[in-house]
Amino acid sequence: GNSVTQMEGPVTLSEEAFLTINCTYTATGYPSLFWYVQYPGEGLQLLLKATKADDKGSNKGFEATYRKETTSFHLEKGSVQVSDSAVYFCALIIGGSARQLTFGSGTQLTVLP
Amino acid sequence: ETGVTQTPRHLVMGMTNKKSLKCEQHLGHNAMYWYKQSAKKPLELMFVYNFKEQTENNSVPSRFSPECPNSSHLFLHLHTLQPEDSALYLCASSRSGAAGGDTQYFGPGTRLTVL
Repeated sequence: GNSVTQMEGPVTLSEEAFLTINCTYTATGYPSLFWYVQYPGEGLQLLLKATKADDKGSNKGFEATYRKETTSFHLEKGSVQVSDSAVYFCALIIGGSARQLTFGSGTQLTVLP
Repeated sequence: ETGVTQTPRHLVMGMTNKKSLKCEQHLGHNAMYWYKQSAKKPLELMFVYNFKEQTENNSVPSRFSPECPNSSHLFLHLHTLQPEDSALYLCASSRSGAAGGDTQYFGPGTRLTVL
């Protein structure tokens, strides 16, 4: 079956620190990969996506590269802000539309001023 | 983001009540989803509708009853719930049958508390 493994949280960083949240996956086939972010008290927002190997998704200073050889999609940001404090979910989908997203367990990020 | 809206945002109900959650998407999508997010558990898919037809039911108890009258609206009817059903219920939508149709867009959720 399909699965997504994220690094355990919580992660606490100081403002302007470098962020990496690891994500690896197992999938039968060629998944599309996603990072979603959930701010306190809100639903999930799509942060970025990549649909094929070597694609790089980027948004709001966050980046993640689809690495087929290591089955990874690590999230990075060069300089985090307090407003980046949230829960980050890595997810995959196989087979296109109207299919089940498989989520990781989420990583809580807290950025301190 | 106002593409997917959910009402109410918060709901408190007793175990014998009947209530409904509503989701509406303004993105022209044809697929809609209900997810359950409980504390310290991964998101769980509950139901999938594609072109108004239910295509997945992930072994959800019958006290949860979905309804999809058209591609823009999705309901979750609740009756005789249990306290362990307290959770954040998230609705999502995606395009269907189109390139890039795998991206799901989520609503803000309904925080449900069952007393």
